[in-house]
Amino acid sequence: AQSVTQLDSQVPVFEEAPVELRCNYSSSVSVYLFWYVQYPNQGLQLLLKYLSGSTLVKGINGFEAEFNKSQTSFHLRKPSVHISDTAEYFCAVIPPGIKAAGNKLTFGGGTRVLVKP
Amino acid sequence: KAGVTQTPRYLIKTRGQQVTLSCSPISGHRSVSWYQQTPGQGLQFLFEYFSETQRNKGNFPGRFSGRQFSNSRSEMNVSTLELGDSALYLCASSLSLAGGGDTQYFGPGTRLTVL
Repeated sequence: AQSVTQLDSQVPVFEEAPVELRCNYSSSVSVYLFWYVQYPNQGLQLLLKYLSGSTLVKGINGFEAEFNKSQTSFHLRKPSVHISDTAEYFCAVIPPGIKAAGNKLTFGGGTRVLVKP
Repeated sequence: KAGVTQTPRYLIKTRGQQVTLSCSPISGHRSVSWYQQTPGQGLQFLFEYFSETQRNKGNFPGRFSGRQFSNSRSEMNVSTLELGDSALYLCASSLSLAGGGDTQYFGPGTRLTVL
């Protein structure tokens, strides 16, 4: 079984400052890793995903994440945030392969980012 | 291309009633998954359908059920509603059951309030 821990439930940050959202996972098998964003009163939107290859993954809206296998982490970063980045961010995993879990995502508890002017 | 649509967007029900929620996936997508989102439990997987068959099920009581039609549209049903069923119910669609290789696209959700 997999579990995902997002170490910060809330992260206040000033506009144009950098932000890092931490995500650690535990799994007995290798996993695919995802970051989703949820704006108020909306569904989830995929920011980026790691399946294999380069450990630095670039996503939409200037976000990037780095996969660290030895630390079982997948932290999300943005060098300069905007007011519009105020949202909740979710880290998620899937074990690869159809037989393992299909498309079942296991989510972390979420991190609320509040960007202040 | 139209995104994932969910109807209704908001629902208010009373304890003991039943409810049916609907999800229309993106055209061409054959896999539909359902998730429950609550402040206390976060995002939890309910079930997944592909080609009209349930392929995966989360840890929810039998009051929660679903189905998928031949056009890939899906419904979920909750019978004998309890206060704790109040949640945002999210539907996601993807092309196949590629286990993450295909991006899952989420709908805006149905907000269910049980009084």
